[in-house]
Amino acid sequence: EAQVTQNPRYLITVTGKKLTVTCSQNMNHEYMSWYRQDPGLGLRQIYYSMNVEVTDKGDVPEGYKVSRKEKRNFPLILESPSPNQTSLYFCASSFPAGGTDTQYFGPGTRLTVL
Amino acid sequence: QQQVKQSPQSLIVQKGGISIINCAYENTAFDYFPWYQQFPGKGPALLIAIRPDVSEKKEGRFTISFNKSAKQFSLHIMDSQPGDSATYFCAASKSTSGTYKYIFGTGTRLKVLA
Repeated sequence: EAQVTQNPRYLITVTGKKLTVTCSQNMNHEYMSWYRQDPGLGLRQIYYSMNVEVTDKGDVPEGYKVSRKEKRNFPLILESPSPNQTSLYFCASSFPAGGTDTQYFGPGTRLTVL
Repeated sequence: QQQVKQSPQSLIVQKGGISIINCAYENTAFDYFPWYQQFPGKGPALLIAIRPDVSEKKEGRFTISFNKSAKQFSLHIMDSQPGDSATYFCAASKSTSGTYKYIFGTGTRLKVLA
């Protein structure tokens, strides 16, 4: 089944404790992206990747890191989480590289930073 | 300007009625305008999308109307059904130096009454 998977689905952590949210897709997509969803603010793009080893900032990259060492994986790293990063996070992928094709979203990761 | 302004924030429609959601953008470099549908607890899913070289696109009960001069686009849901109750996001993307960023609207929560 073609899908985007995220882990964990739910996470409660404390300020400053490094964490990684994994994202994996099995559709051989070149484009992958991370978003955060907050009430009243919609979806905001954090980082995106056009292909392996190619990443770029979205609109809200501060406090986040990403890497794209393999085509299928695009982990999101919060090295020192803060309460303002409490949010619902979505990973998405599409093919071919570009903004004119369907983005497939994962199920989301709900993160709470205390 | 990078924003995409979406209205209304919420919408209640009777079964069989027409639901209309509007979006406006400022950056004329945007060249792809998708609409996403999100059900509670799920990731967004592409509903329909349009490029600025056409003024309207229809897929079943869903139609995008695009006004390039006014920099506005809208989603029309004909014969609205209770199963259409969801949150709808408009979005816009552009190619900058061969890369793609996505800007989403803030979302419209649609409720269709049976």
